[in-house]
This record gives sequence, structure tokens and C-alpha cells, in this order.
Amino acid sequence: AQSVTQLDSHVSVSEGTPVLLRCNYSSSYSPSLFWYVQHPNKGLQLLLKYTSAATLVKGINGFEAEFKKSETSFHLTKPSAHMSDAAEYFCVVSDNYNQGGKLIFGQGTELSVKP
Amino acid sequence: NAGVMQNPRHLVRRRGQEARLRCSPMKGHSHVYWYRQLPEEGLKFMVYLQKENIIDESGMPKERFSAEFPKEGPSILRIQQVVRGDSAAYFCASSRESSGNTIYFGEGSWLTVV
Repeated sequence: AQSVTQLDSHVSVSEGTPVLLRCNYSSSYSPSLFWYVQHPNKGLQLLLKYTSAATLVKGINGFEAEFKKSETSFHLTKPSAHMSDAAEYFCVVSDNYNQGGKLIFGQGTELSVKP
Repeated sequence: NAGVMQNPRHLVRRRGQEARLRCSPMKGHSHVYWYRQLPEEGLKFMVYLQKENIIDESGMPKERFSAEFPKEGPSILRIQQVVRGDSAAYFCASSRESSGNTIYFGEGSWLTVV
């Protein structure tokens, strides 16, 4: 069975400082991993995805994530936070072999950015 | 190319009424998924459909909830005899194929049961 754990329910950073949102996954098969962002009362936007190609994945808006199989982690980073980055972030795992397109979501990490 | 379209965006129903949520997938997408987001929680998978077929409904509550994706027209998530606990955001997503393809989400339908 797959699962995903977001280690922080809330992260607060100052504008211009680095962002780190942590995610650990569990999967019996070779997983696909995603990060989605949700702004208040809005839908989900895909930031980036890992599908067994390069382990360092670059996404939109300056975000990137590194797949580390030995640590079963897929942490999301950004060198310099912007006020517009304040939102809820979800780490997501998909088992391509058995689950079709079914996604398993983490509980979310709320990112606050202080001026 | 329009994205995944959901309507209504906001719906208010009294307890015992029916709620119908509609989802039109992206052009060229034949796979549709419904997810529910309860307050302060992540999204939970409900059902996965292809045209005229339910592929996986393991996340659907056993009673009152049903989903369809007819040959023509949008996918419908139907909730009969709504209760307060059904208040949530319901997200539809679509993809071209079932695996290896990016899943795109709609903006959600917020159901409030009063």
C-alpha cells in the first residue's frame, strides 16, 4: 500500500529566504510523485512531477524537488520565497502499475510568507 | 484548450436534498476522477471512471453517493439525501490515459449543507 507523509503541517518563512517542505513516501512499486499547490478556495495546480527519470525535478515558479530512494523522500524546495507562494502544498504519490491514475495525497503543508 | 470544468462552483443544499456536481474533462481526456476534500484535510480519492464505466469506486461511501460518466456529456457526482458531513470541496480531475499521464484538476465544487 502506498502512503505519503508531510512532516510539517505549517511552515513559515520570510520573503527572500529558502523554502523547504518535507515529504516522505511509502510505495511497493516504482512510484510517481507529485507536488501540487492550492491557493485559498481554488483548485490544485501541478508544481512538478517525478516519474523515474531524473531524480532532481524542476517545476514551475522556481520550485524543485529531489527524489531520494534511499531516504524515501521527495522534499520540495525553493531558493527564495515570494509573497505569492503562500498557499497549501500537497505531496502526492501514484502507483502506476496497480492504481490507474489514483492519487494518494498527504495532509498538506500550509506555507506562510512574512514580509 | 479549456481545462477541467466543474459546475456549480458553489452549491448550498438543505439536509435531505440531492446534490449534483458536474465535471467536463479536458479535451481529449477520457479518464475522470473525483476527489473530496473535507475541511482541514487533504484530498481523498472517491471514484475513477472512463466513458460509461466505473473502474474503481473504492473511495465512494457505500450509500447515497453515485457517479457516472456517460457516453455524451459531463461526468456527474450525485449525492442523495445530503447530511451536514457531506459539506466539502469536491474536485474532479482528468487524464488522457490511466497511468503515466499527468492528472489535471478542476477548480472544485464547494458543497455546503445547511
